[in-house]
Amino acid sequence: DQQVKQNSPSLSVQEGRISILNCDYTNSMFDYFLWYKKYPAEGPTFLISISSIKDKNEDGRFTVFLNKSAKHLSLHIVPSQPGDSAVYFCAGIQGGSEKLVFGKGMKLTVNP
Amino acid sequence: GAGVSQSPSNKVTEKGKDVELRCDPISGHTALYWYRQSLGQGLEFLIYFQGNSAPDKSGLPSDRFSAERTGGSVSTLTIQRTQQEDSAVYLCASSLGLVGLEKLFFGSGTQLSVL
Repeated sequence: DQQVKQNSPSLSVQEGRISILNCDYTNSMFDYFLWYKKYPAEGPTFLISISSIKDKNEDGRFTVFLNKSAKHLSLHIVPSQPGDSAVYFCAGIQGGSEKLVFGKGMKLTVNP
Repeated sequence: GAGVSQSPSNKVTEKGKDVELRCDPISGHTALYWYRQSLGQGLEFLIYFQGNSAPDKSGLPSDRFSAERTGGSVSTLTIQRTQQEDSAVYLCASSLGLVGLEKLFFGSGTQLSVL
């Protein structure tokens, strides 16, 4: 049972354009969501998070939107830069749990 | 170093052999996690240590897998009688506390290949 789904395995965008990475979840008990970025041969690094009581969180070029009724969140990167090329993981966590549940990841390629 | 350190970075072993993977968390981090990423899959939770509490082993895929954390710091993940399906990147992560509030810091992982 995949609780966090990233249905598109890859995305390619032009430098300067917006990148939109989507994530769906099935566990309505998740109350916190995080995005991690992973470069090859490195561990994932934290990017941005959002609490379920919010519908938007912004940090510089990165914005995460949460639609609880649709059980959907998205990460917007604008403007996209070649250095953003990486695999992005969406993750959810349930209150009281210590386990982040990750999606399969999406590979973003930003072309110069 | 300041980050989570894992060793070895790569391990090639023969089916049926035992392997040990090591993780040095960030100093002062009380929570330590093991995840693995198989080819084409997401990050799969394996085990979680928090302070002196009993570990959460609910993600371990079989009894061939075990882990310990000595002195609340270094952790070792042991896989006995390795199988080809154990081939994956094994990632260790640590955090200061509840992961929703304090982010996980990951090591670079150990790439395990079982021939």
